[in-house]
Amino acid sequence: NAGVMQNPRHLVRRRGQEARLRCSPMKGHSHVYWYRQLPEEGLKFMVYLQKENIIDESGMPKERFSAEFPKEGPSILRIQQVVRGDSAAYFCASSSTTGTRGGASSYNEQFFGPGTRLTVL
Amino acid sequence: AQTVTQSQPEMSVQEAETVTLSCTYDTSESNYYLFWYKQPPSRQMILVIRQEAYKQQNATENRFSVNFQKAAKSFSLKISDSQLGDTAMYFCAFHSGSARQLTFGSGTQLTVLP
Repeated sequence: NAGVMQNPRHLVRRRGQEARLRCSPMKGHSHVYWYRQLPEEGLKFMVYLQKENIIDESGMPKERFSAEFPKEGPSILRIQQVVRGDSAAYFCASSSTTGTRGGASSYNEQFFGPGTRLTVL
Repeated sequence: AQTVTQSQPEMSVQEAETVTLSCTYDTSESNYYLFWYKQPPSRQMILVIRQEAYKQQNATENRFSVNFQKAAKSFSLKISDSQLGDTAMYFCAFHSGSARQLTFGSGTQLTVLP
């Protein structure tokens, strides 16, 4: 059973170009999370998606960033007109459910991909 | 909003010794989960151990154990018999029932010295 796949592992873009990062969740997982890790920092939540729906994008910059998780195919994190400050490692995680049922909370483990390191020249 | 604080940016320990990494958090929730993740140079995020807040017993996984002090909102990681392969960045993380995402601390870089 393959884990969470991310590609490319390394991506170099010049300022003003577009970056597309892909994430294939684990088999059977329908929930995807994107996190960003700036140099020397911890991971910061960006967006949470289910199939064909954005559930929570509270951590995503309002401009230039978008995410999707279509019915078929991987989840895509898209960064338009990249700037040097976008240079970071971008991690995707997936889970089978969010674990919340009828108000009672539980936790379904988020499994992380290997990350995509984006470098903006 | 929840916050997670790791006040030790770097630590080192001699091989075979024991080391403790500190983590504190702030939340108004009563039911939540706490985690320690390891990030080696490969950058892969590896779950080391997890603790459910409603469980009083401290979690253990082989050489890794936690000291969970709910009233103090403290969640430290103890690594016994440190090995060279333990060298990595360690992140403390929090998950509550009301939020779907994980909230991470800033990390502690641990170096195990031969």
